[in-house]
Amino acid sequence: GDSVTQMEGPVTLSEEAFLTINCTYTATGYPSLFWYVQYPGEGLQLLLKATKADDKGSNKGFEATYRKETTSFHLEKGSVQVSDSAVYFCARYGGSQGNLIFGKGTKLSVKP
Amino acid sequence: DAGVIQSPRHEVTEMGQEVTLRCKPISGHDYLFWYRQTMMRGLELLIYFNNNVPIDDSGMPEDRFSAKMPNASFSTLKIQPSEPRDSAVYFCASSRGNEQYFGPGTRLTVT
Repeated sequence: GDSVTQMEGPVTLSEEAFLTINCTYTATGYPSLFWYVQYPGEGLQLLLKATKADDKGSNKGFEATYRKETTSFHLEKGSVQVSDSAVYFCARYGGSQGNLIFGKGTKLSVKP
Repeated sequence: DAGVIQSPRHEVTEMGQEVTLRCKPISGHDYLFWYRQTMMRGLELLIYFNNNVPIDDSGMPEDRFSAKMPNASFSTLKIQPSEPRDSAVYFCASSRGNEQYFGPGTRLTVT
């Protein structure tokens, strides 16, 4: 069935390091894709999204490009900060069902 | 808009008691979702509604769990009787289109 697979964490980086969190999906067609972020003690927040192939979503220095050839939507940031420490969830739209299909989440810890 | 509102934010109860979690979605949103998050299982979709009608409740773990949406601005998730393994953070989310907006969650502890 339709699914989202993201790299397992935890990921630990030093401040100012480059970040990549891999995400791949299975789907028929080209669903909208999302990255959500969950800071400690909070609910999930939409970080960025892309609605069609080759779209690039970006927000707060994070970017992800919708790659239909590789069915991927990897999250990147050039220079992470301690405040980026959180759990990141990749998701795809479920289509006519109206729901989102989430990956398992990747915990990022950034050390000063 | 105030965003998705959930109450209570924290609930501690004893095993066997009834627990009711509440959610007020964002005005104008036509989908409402209930999720459960634990360290062991991660984020699980329990049930969701479209225009107040339950669409998929296959994620509800057992008959002790029930959810209602009597109108477009209110939903409840009830656990009766509660058990220690129900301890988790329960999130409500709403959407109009394909972006979901999450509430702050209710942290439930069943002793």
